[in-house]
Amino acid sequence: AQRVTQPEKLLSVFKGAPVELKCNYSYSGSPELFWYVQYSRQRLQLLLRHISRESIKGFTADLNKGETSFHLKKPFAQEEDSAMYYCALSVFNAGNMLTFGGGTRLMVKP
Amino acid sequence: DTGVSQNPRHKITKRGQNVTFRCDPISEHNRLYWYRQTLGQGPEFLTYFQNEAQLEKSRLLSDRFSAERPKGSFSTLEIQRTEQGDSAMYLCASSGKQGAGTGELFFGEGSRLTVL
Repeated sequence: AQRVTQPEKLLSVFKGAPVELKCNYSYSGSPELFWYVQYSRQRLQLLLRHISRESIKGFTADLNKGETSFHLKKPFAQEEDSAMYYCALSVFNAGNMLTFGGGTRLMVKP
Repeated sequence: DTGVSQNPRHKITKRGQNVTFRCDPISEHNRLYWYRQTLGQGPEFLTYFQNEAQLEKSRLLSDRFSAERPKGSFSTLEIQRTEQGDSAMYLCASSGKQGAGTGELFFGEGSRLTVL
């Protein structure tokens, strides 16, 4: 069975500092990886997916199959980035069923 | 369409009572998912539907949990004989026909259950 691990429950940085939210997964096949975000008093929503290789709101994430990681990075954190971030994994042909990590709360201090 | 809608938003019940949650997905979405989220944890998958067919239900937590989507539109999640450990946020999500594995689920605001 697949598993997603986010080792940090809380990450606190100052505005303008670099951010890296860690995500490790275990799955024997080729997964698809995603980052979801939940801002205060808002719904959980997709931030980015590895297959798109896109940068959203300055965030990027690279799938490292050798290290089974999908860390989320941003070079300069902004206060509006403060939120809960969840890494998630989907198995091909499994109907978009997502397995989520436990989440990391990012706090960006002024 | 304002997105995925869930009702009620908050339910307080006594142990042993039955509760039912409703989810209205985005209208053109054919897939509907139920997740449970407890404090400090990520969402935990429970079950999902493609149209009216329940394609995965092995992750439902016990036989006290059941879900339906009778006409392929809205869905209900019922918990019978509630226990204090059922207290959690129950999230519904939907997705469209983009093909397997695109991974974009659209979530509702959730229904919070408190069992006294």
